[in-house]
Amino acid sequence: DVQLVESGGNLVQPGGSLRLSCTASGFTFRDYWMSWVRQAPGKGLEWVANIKPDGSEKYYVESVRGRFTISRDNAKNSLSLQMSSLSDDDTAVYYCARIDGVWYYDIWGQGTLVTVSS
Amino acid sequence: DIQMTQSPSSLSASVGDSVTITCQASQDIKKYVNWYQQKSGKAPKLLMSGASHLDTGVPSRFSGSGSGTDFTFTISSLQPEDIATYYCQQYNDLPWTFGHGTKVEIK
Repeated sequence: DVQLVESGGNLVQPGGSLRLSCTASGFTFRDYWMSWVRQAPGKGLEWVANIKPDGSEKYYVESVRGRFTISRDNAKNSLSLQMSSLSDDDTAVYYCARIDGVWYYDIWGQGTLVTVSS
Repeated sequence: DIQMTQSPSSLSASVGDSVTITCQASQDIKKYVNWYQQKSGKAPKLLMSGASHLDTGVPSRFSGSGSGTDFTFTISSLQPEDIATYYCQQYNDLPWTFGHGTKVEIK
């Protein structure tokens, strides 16, 4: 089965750091752009970051640029999101998602909850 | 950034009714719109790409249309399993942006 499984969500204090991971299975991970999308409690969806199949290009929403880093390890079928200088506004469920070649999210993980609170 | 203004924010309709959701982009995005369905506590699911292309396995009661700045998503005959929040998303330009969602309920 094609699957994405996120991990790493946790309660973290403001100003803290956290690393999210997403493990892919059932497809050739290195062939696909990948993305992180987040959803604050009771709110809508927000695109966070994209990464090219070979990792050579990365794009971020303005609100996380300089604080978050998206990366991937194609040998391990793994996507990561390193988050730092976290604030309350970063509290959300974080989804990793596969981007199909014509730019839509066709596979989503189940999400992992990040709570930023003192 | 391209703003996606989605309406209504919620709607209530009877089983069998036709329901329509609209999304207006703040600038021309050609046909670069996707539609997703999100059921409570679950990850979103792709329903439609490129404004009108139904994803594999999605029932034909779902349809989409539009181009430029105005887009429409329709459920032709609402079913109980369609209870969810629906989002439009533009991919014409980064940052990709979503509408605020439409919560669909059964009357």
